[in-house]
Amino acid sequence: GQQLNQSPQSMFIQEGEDVSMNCTSSSIFNTWLWYKQEPGEGPVLLIALYKAGELTSNGRLTAQFGITRKDSFLNISASIPSDVGIYFCAGHPSNDYKLSFGAGTTVTVRA
Amino acid sequence: ETGVTQTPRHLVMGMTNKKSLKCEQHLGHNAMYWYKQSAKKPLELMFVYNFKEQTENNSVPSRFSPECPNSSHLFLHLHTLQPEDSALYLCASSQDRGQPQHFGDGTRLSIL
Repeated sequence: GQQLNQSPQSMFIQEGEDVSMNCTSSSIFNTWLWYKQEPGEGPVLLIALYKAGELTSNGRLTAQFGITRKDSFLNISASIPSDVGIYFCAGHPSNDYKLSFGAGTTVTVRA
Repeated sequence: ETGVTQTPRHLVMGMTNKKSLKCEQHLGHNAMYWYKQSAKKPLELMFVYNFKEQTENNSVPSRFSPECPNSSHLFLHLHTLQPEDSALYLCASSQDRGQPQHFGDGTRLSIL
C-alpha cells in the first residue's frame, strides 16, 4: 500500500488540553479512517470518513476528510488520561481496495 | 470484545518449531486479513482473503502459510521462522474489500 505521512510522531500534553494530528498522502483517497491502539491490544476504529469535506465527531473526537482528498486530521478535545495510546490514520487510495496506514502518533497525557 | 478473536495472545517459539495462529471473526464479514506490526513501522499487509479465496499475497516469505477454511476463520501457519519475524501479528476483517477493517488484539510472537 501507499505510505501516509502522519504527524506529529509523538506528543506530550497536559490533561485538559486539545490535541490535533494529521495525515497526508500524495494521491487521492476514497476513505479516511482513524484508529487508536492501546498497549496489548489491536487497533480500534474511532472514526470513518467517506466524502471530501466530511466532518464527523465521536464524543470528544472530531475528524475531517480534506477537500483535496489527500489529507485528514483528528482532533481530541479536553484530553483525559485514558486518551493515551497510538493513533493511526489509514485510508483506501482511489485505485486500491487495500488500506494504507500512517506510522502513528503516540499521545502521552500528563495529569 | 472486538468481534475478532485471536489465539494465542503470546507465542514464543524456536526457529525450527511449527506453530499456527488462529483468528475468528463474529461480525459476518466476507474479507479477512493478516498484518505484521513491528515497532515504529506502519502496519504491513501480508495476506487478504475474500469469500475464502486468497486475493493478495504481499510478497510474504513461504515460511508463512495462510489458510482460510471459511469466511469466519483464518489461520497463519508458521515454520522455520527467523528472529526478524518477531512482531505483533494482527488479524482483521471487513464486510467487503474496501470497507473499514476491524482488528483483533493480535498475537505477540517471539522467535528465539
